[in-house]
Amino acid sequence: EAQVTQNPRYLITVTGKKLTVTCSQNMNHEYMSWYRQDPGLGLRQIYYSMNVEVTDKGDVPEGYKVSRKEKRNFPLILESPSPNQTSLYFCASAPRGSKVVEQFFGPGTRLTVL
Amino acid sequence: SQKIEQNSEALNIQEGKTATLTCNYTNYSPAYLQWYRQDPGRGPVFLLLIRENEKEKRKERLKVTFDTTLKQSLFHITASQPADSATYLCALLSTGNQFYFGTGTSLTVIP
Repeated sequence: EAQVTQNPRYLITVTGKKLTVTCSQNMNHEYMSWYRQDPGLGLRQIYYSMNVEVTDKGDVPEGYKVSRKEKRNFPLILESPSPNQTSLYFCASAPRGSKVVEQFFGPGTRLTVL
Repeated sequence: SQKIEQNSEALNIQEGKTATLTCNYTNYSPAYLQWYRQDPGRGPVFLLLIRENEKEKRKERLKVTFDTTLKQSLFHITASQPADSATYLCALLSTGNQFYFGTGTSLTVIP
């Protein structure tokens, strides 16, 4: 089944404790992206990647890191999480033709930072 | 950066009526605009895409229009059903392959 998977789905952690949220897709998509979704603010893009070893900042990259060493994986790293990073996080992927079109989203990771 | 506004946070309509959702954007016109559906606790699901040179796009009971002069897209669901109840998001892609999403409109179709 074609899908985007994220792990963990739920995570409660404490301020300053490094964490990684994994994202994997099995559709051979070039484009991958991370979003956070907050009430009243909608979906905001954190980072995106057009292909392996190519990453770019989105609208809200502060406090996050990403890497794209393999085409299928795009982990999101929080080196020192803070309470304002409590949010619902989505990973997405898309095939890349001349333009990125339809995005496929993962099920989401709900992160709470105490 | 690009700013996107969706007409209202919530919209209630009677079953069988047409629901119309609005998406307005500022700054430059995107190459295309997308609409997604999001159910509670789940990731968004792509519905339709309309390009800047297209006035209208249809898919079954869904219709999207795109007016680059008004910087607006309208999303219509005809013959609405309770199963259409969800949050609908519009999104656009910048020239740099960065996506911007609206905050969404929560649609409730009342039987």
